[in-house]
Amino acid sequence: ILNVEQSPQSLHVQEGDSTNFTCSFPSSNFYALHWYRWETAKSPEALFVMTLNGDEKKKGRISATLNTKEGYSYLYIKGSQPEDSATYLCAFKGWAAGNKLTFGGGTRVLVKP
Amino acid sequence: DTAVSQTPKYLVTQMGNDKSIKCEQNLGHDTMYWYKQDSKKFLKIMFSYNNKELIINETVPNRFSPKSPDKAHLNLHINSLELGDSAVYFCASSQDWGSGEFGETQYFGPGTRLLVL
Repeated sequence: ILNVEQSPQSLHVQEGDSTNFTCSFPSSNFYALHWYRWETAKSPEALFVMTLNGDEKKKGRISATLNTKEGYSYLYIKGSQPEDSATYLCAFKGWAAGNKLTFGGGTRVLVKP
Repeated sequence: DTAVSQTPKYLVTQMGNDKSIKCEQNLGHDTMYWYKQDSKKFLKIMFSYNNKELIINETVPNRFSPKSPDKAHLNLHINSLELGDSAVYFCASSQDWGSGEFGETQYFGPGTRLLVL
């Protein structure tokens, strides 16, 4: 059973502050790490697919880094805005897994005005 | 236009009934998936089809049967519904099943909230 863990489970951020949170995954058999953003009552939306150790991806104020050797990825939100409030999911894919993603439990971010 | 759509959005039914959930994608993707959001809110893969062929079949009761009439549709039929089947079911699609970074991104439907009474 693959262990994909996200911490913290939830966090409150003041508008304008920056924040980050972690996804940890198995460091062996790594193929790709996905990040999704999931707003309440909507569908998960893809943010990034990361495949190489040391990868950094950026989309607006959101960025992510990847360390496949130690099995973790950070997601950063710079200058948080209320519209950033959502659950952020990471999902791990190993080799020979077809396109099976194993999701973490998510980090729920609430940005307070 | 909705990229990945599911019907119905809500489904309330009695234990023992048989029901189907439909999923359609208009993205021209080859691969489709069914996920169950469990009681702890985790998304767990149930099935995946690539070009109408089953490629992922997780440990799911055989009361659950996926059917892909064409690569734009993946339906989920559930026989003899049980209380524990109550959950949100998400359909998703991707360009293909693993040829690279862009092909793998999965696009999710809005979910079907199933309540078994």
